[in-house]
Amino acid sequence: GQQVMQIPQYQHVQEGEDFTTYCNSSTTLSNIQWYKQRPGGHPVFLIQLVKSGEVKKQKRLTFQFGEAKKNSSLHITATQTTDVGTYFCAGSPGAQKLVFGQGTRLTINP
Amino acid sequence: GAGVSQSPRYKVAKRGQDVALRCDPISGHVSLFWYQQALGQGPEFLTYFQNEAQLDKSGLPSDRFFAERPEGSVSTLKIQRTQQEDSAVYLCASSPVDRNQPQHFGDGTRLSIL
Repeated sequence: GQQVMQIPQYQHVQEGEDFTTYCNSSTTLSNIQWYKQRPGGHPVFLIQLVKSGEVKKQKRLTFQFGEAKKNSSLHITATQTTDVGTYFCAGSPGAQKLVFGQGTRLTINP
Repeated sequence: GAGVSQSPRYKVAKRGQDVALRCDPISGHVSLFWYQQALGQGPEFLTYFQNEAQLDKSGLPSDRFFAERPEGSVSTLKIQRTQQEDSAVYLCASSPVDRNQPQHFGDGTRLSIL
């Protein structure tokens, strides 16, 4: 079945440093969504990318969808302590179903 | 309510017991999903409803798992003859009818099987 791989599994940074997580799918996706889960919390939707090569920005967060629609990345510029959490990509092969990556857990040293 | 509501928040059961987990989606949301999240892992899809119709149950790990949404709103996930490997957080999510819409998650039910 479809697999979504996400790297790195963990990332620890100093506050103010940048952070990037990468997502790769074994199959072409119709769209990709990104979610953030705080410790003890539930996944919260961040953004959805649909078009090949799409780039979207939310303040310090930049999301990219690859040209082949099989990979994606999330980049955070100048991390803040509020960015702590686990970031998941979730791919949709075409139906409503989402296939989640295993997540990248971000911790920040203030 | 404003968000997806799940109950109970925590459930402890002995191996072999049956459990029932409830999800109350956002009002007006047609699509409802169940996921299983093991510690340190991403949510894994279990099943999907559009209104009362269960359109995809490909993620249910065994025939001990059963989900229903009889009136197209509240859903129940039932696990019969629980096993230790069923211990996980069970997340419910809902979304509007359109395809590929963002999913809104509840806080989940943390199930522990002793």
